[in-house]
Amino acid sequence: DIQLTQSPSFLSASVGDRVTITCRASQGISSYLAWYQQKPGKAPKLLIYAASTLQSGVPSRFSGSGSGTEFTLTISSLQPEDFATYYCQQLNSYPPTFGQGTKVEIK
Amino acid sequence: EVQLLESGGGLVQPGGSLRLSCAASGFTFSSYAMSWVRQAPGKGLEWVSAISGSGGSTYYADSVKGRFTISRDNSKNTLYLQMNSLRAEDTAVYYCAKDLGYCTGGVCYTYYFDYWGQGTLVTVSS
Repeated sequence: DIQLTQSPSFLSASVGDRVTITCRASQGISSYLAWYQQKPGKAPKLLIYAASTLQSGVPSRFSGSGSGTEFTLTISSLQPEDFATYYCQQLNSYPPTFGQGTKVEIK
Repeated sequence: EVQLLESGGGLVQPGGSLRLSCAASGFTFSSYAMSWVRQAPGKGLEWVSAISGSGGSTYYADSVKGRFTISRDNSKNTLYLQMNSLRAEDTAVYYCAKDLGYCTGGVCYTYYFDYWGQGTLVTVSS
């Protein structure tokens, strides 16, 4: 199975900060990567798919980039509602797998 | 509005069985693949199983193969997960998730999940 490693695992940031989360794949996955946001007690929400395509209704402060083995999720200006855990997920190779998550907390 | 509503979770002893259901509305259910994804308490996400829109193709994670069975009833807009021989490590919140149906260059890709249910907790314990 393809392993996805997110860094950092924990991030402390302030409202208005630019935040970047990295996801590295154990082998190349082209651009078949998604990013999800999960708040406590809630289901995950799709933010980005195909590495850089913003899901409908997701604010434009979220962006994704990368291909092959290294990907990034960037939040251009962190808002109070963005404090959550973020997961990357690959679907290039069966079975689909998720990263371990990055928790973004308020500084 | 797309809605996915899981039910059927609960407390079960090791070796026992449970059947989860996911009632879907707000979209043409039979046109989309569906998956189950679980999350153990305090842990990350793990894909469990998927089924094609017609129900003719099914897929399983190695950790549940031979014990879990995914199915769907397109006349009832409902997805199921039959879980047998349950183990303590199956304890998790189970989410049903709708496939995005992403197609590009004439090829369609499964496993982008654009809608999720609220989850149902399965606890395997004696």
